[in-house]
Amino acid sequence: DGGITQSPKYLFRKEGQNVTLSCEQNLNHDAMYWYRQDPGQGLRLIYYSQIVNDFQKGDIAEGYSVSREKKESFPLTVTSAQKNPTAFYLCASSPQGADGYTFGSGTRLTVV
Amino acid sequence: QKEVEQDPGPLSVPEGAIVSLNCTYSNSAFQYFMWYRQYSRKGPELLMYTYSSGNKEDGRFTAQVDKSSKYISLFIRDSQPSDSATYLCAMPDSSYKLIFGSGTRLLVRP
Repeated sequence: DGGITQSPKYLFRKEGQNVTLSCEQNLNHDAMYWYRQDPGQGLRLIYYSQIVNDFQKGDIAEGYSVSREKKESFPLTVTSAQKNPTAFYLCASSPQGADGYTFGSGTRLTVV
Repeated sequence: QKEVEQDPGPLSVPEGAIVSLNCTYSNSAFQYFMWYRQYSRKGPELLMYTYSSGNKEDGRFTAQVDKSSKYISLFIRDSQPSDSATYLCAMPDSSYKLIFGSGTRLLVRP
């Protein structure tokens, strides 16, 4: 079955550490996205990529980094520069154009 | 002002009730409109997708678009406890990135 896989489901990080969230899709979608979701704030766009080896900052990119070396993969690194990283992170993909997104099941990151 | 506004709720209704969920938007260039359903601790899933003004029906769900008022609605008939979730409206901007509402949390009481 085609889909989008995020791992791990839960992640704990100590303050000052970088951590990388995985996102893999086998839908042959060109575009991929990372969102952060906090209670009562909906989905906020962190980074997006519409083609391999290219990505753009979203609304809240500070403290995050991404890479897009393969069409299938779009990992997100939460760096120590992110002041409030505890959140639910969602990865999505879409074909080019106005079709809807397919979302992964999310990674819940907690800073301890 | 946010581009897409949505009442966060929570909205609590008894089983069997008709539910109305709404969004307003400010950009008249938006052409496509989507509704996503998100269960707790899960990723959102696409529920309905509509382009034109008017109504689109899919089972117990009806999506309504009024472009002149920049207002979209999702109606759920004969609501079930399994409909309890957060519902997000979304619409693509000119570069096809989706702009999401903040979501309305719905609770259907048995």
